[in-house]
Amino acid sequence: SQQGEEDPQALSIQEGENATMNCSYKTSINNLQWYRQNSGRGLVHLILIRSNEREKHSGRLRVTLDTSKKSSSLLITASRAADTASYFCATGDNDMRFGAGTRLTVKP
Amino acid sequence: SQTIHQWPATLVQPVGSPLSLECTVEGTSNPNLYWYRQAAGRGLQLLFYSVGIGQISSEVPQNLSASRPQDRQFILSSKKLLLSDSGFYLCAWSGLAGQSGGELFFGEGSRLTVL
Repeated sequence: SQQGEEDPQALSIQEGENATMNCSYKTSINNLQWYRQNSGRGLVHLILIRSNEREKHSGRLRVTLDTSKKSSSLLITASRAADTASYFCATGDNDMRFGAGTRLTVKP
Repeated sequence: SQTIHQWPATLVQPVGSPLSLECTVEGTSNPNLYWYRQAAGRGLQLLFYSVGIGQISSEVPQNLSASRPQDRQFILSSKKLLLSDSGFYLCAWSGLAGQSGGELFFGEGSRLTVL
């Protein structure tokens, strides 16, 4: 069964705008990860945030984690057409489980 | 550097036929290995994961099986495919066995169509 659920399912924005995706999960975690998938390809790891961290940055990516609400958000700032992809959150130990993903479309 | 190879990339099989998807990892030892399935436009379903040779944890249906004959080789099999087995199959590896919750590295996927 899936552990995380992303929201929204789909998001369409203009280049230059910010994109925010949310993830909710059900059980306690040691860390939460975000991945990106271009259509028809494998997933690529973006960022990992540990349970004792509240915010983490990597380039144009900003991830927050609220363990009290069992939720995380991924913010992509100044989006580009090349950011068009599906984004997934994942949690777990050896049994890493993914949410259903947010499909982001960035229009040039 | 580590690499992961997955094949075949595309497969069209009739219902009731067998299946074998292979995945190998290079450049690391004792990886955790994973098989996921993704239906069109959907998320990833964890099928199997392995923390060592001969150690397979199954999350799913009976007509699929997985084996790990060597440390860095993971095989997904079926004796008789169902229509519902169609999908995009992804192999992945992570860190060293015993180091749970680490970053996963994915192969490029195998697209299976069962007719």
